[in-house]
Order: sequence, then structure tokens, then C-alpha cells
Amino acid sequence: IQMAQSPSSVSASVGDRVTITCRASQNINSWLAWYQQKPGQAPKLLIYDVFTLEDGVPSRFSGGGSVTDFTLTISSLQPEDVATYYCLQTNPFHSLTFGGGTKVEI
Amino acid sequence: QLQLQESGPRLVKPSETLSLTCTVSGDSVNRRNSFWGWIRQPPGKGLDWIGSLEYNGRTYFNSSLMTRVAMSIDTSKNQFSLTLNSVTAADTAVYYCARIRQRFWSGSYVHFFDFWGPGTLVTVSS
Repeated sequence: IQMAQSPSSVSASVGDRVTITCRASQNINSWLAWYQQKPGQAPKLLIYDVFTLEDGVPSRFSGGGSVTDFTLTISSLQPEDVATYYCLQTNPFHSLTFGGGTKVEI
Repeated sequence: QLQLQESGPRLVKPSETLSLTCTVSGDSVNRRNSFWGWIRQPPGKGLDWIGSLEYNGRTYFNSSLMTRVAMSIDTSKNQFSLTLNSVTAADTAVYYCARIRQRFWSGSYVHFFDFWGPGTLVTVSS
């Protein structure tokens, strides 16, 4: 299963709504997680099971979608959200596969 | 508090073997139903899953690497390890170890990485 993210990069203003898309090459049901990686740091889990926020993640982050098309939305972009975001197909029977990443800038 | 820390040589010669260890504190690598994983990230590129290791020693590997990779658990030291043989420059990357959370969701078990080590850059060069 291949995971394709778009766009590869996005530039927005503080307070803007930002949406990132992840598309699977075949049906992955609802087996999807999202990660945030800031420069020089390890990735951080944001969302799992498509829409469940990990503890401590701000509510401005939300996830949605099913089957092959999924989204990560930042409802009001903040300076600390500058990072690269990755989706992950989470069913181990199909191999764990990351998307190529989306760089979010202000 | 859970912490993971990668350790091992930072420079490996081509055709030799890369060996890394992840030391875990705040959890037990032999906790029943626990899973642990390795992920790598070439400089300036995205994330690639290398493989996963179950508490009982069972392993699961990325098919692109499975002929060169091995993983093991050392319960006495609360560590798990990665070896990758016959390395080339293409294996130069930041290597991360991580804990895997397993859930039953939407008709299947799912795995995702919930805690990561800080990562260690391994360079393959003569």
C-alpha cells in the first residue's frame, strides 16, 4: 500500500485553516495516524484511528476520512505548528507505511 | 516516565554491519503484548518503517529490507536491538526506536508509534 500526501508544502498565515490530504493506493478502512515533526526532533503522535486526538494535542487539530482519502486539519494555524506532517497506514498486515510528508510554513 | 534512547556507532563502512541498541526506561520490553519498532529517515527525506519486534521475540520487517535486517530483545538490560548488514550510502539516515501501541480498531489490530527516541544519525562512509 502506498500513501500519497498533498500538498508537499503549504504556506499560510497565523489563524488560517490548513488542510492536508493523505490518499492510500487501496482501501485502508480507518487504519490511519498522523504525526508532527519539528526540525531536529523525533516525530510526535497527533492523531490515531483517523480522528482520535492523542492526549495533550490541541483541539485545533482534527482528522477525518475513510477508505482511501483522509485529511488532517489545523483549524487556526499557530506559529508553533510550523512542522512537517506525516500520515501512517497502521495495519501491520499490510506493512506500516508513511506518507511522503507535508511541510507547513508561515 | 517513558524514555527511549538509541545508541551505537555513528559511522559504518560500506558493506559492513550497522548495529544499534534502544534502551527503554519507564516500561518493560517483555511486557505482555508489547511491541517495539525501528524507523529511519534519510537526511532531508521522509520516514521509513524498518521493522517491529514483539515482546516474545517475534519480528516483522519491511519487505524492502528483510534480507538484511534482524532485531532482538535483551530483557536483562531492558533493551532491543537492530542490525542491518551489507550497508551502503543509501542506508545513511537518522535511526529512531519507538514503542508501538497496539489497538483493535475497525476490524483489525493496528500498530502505531506512540513514544520515540530522539534518534541517532548513522553515516555509511569509508
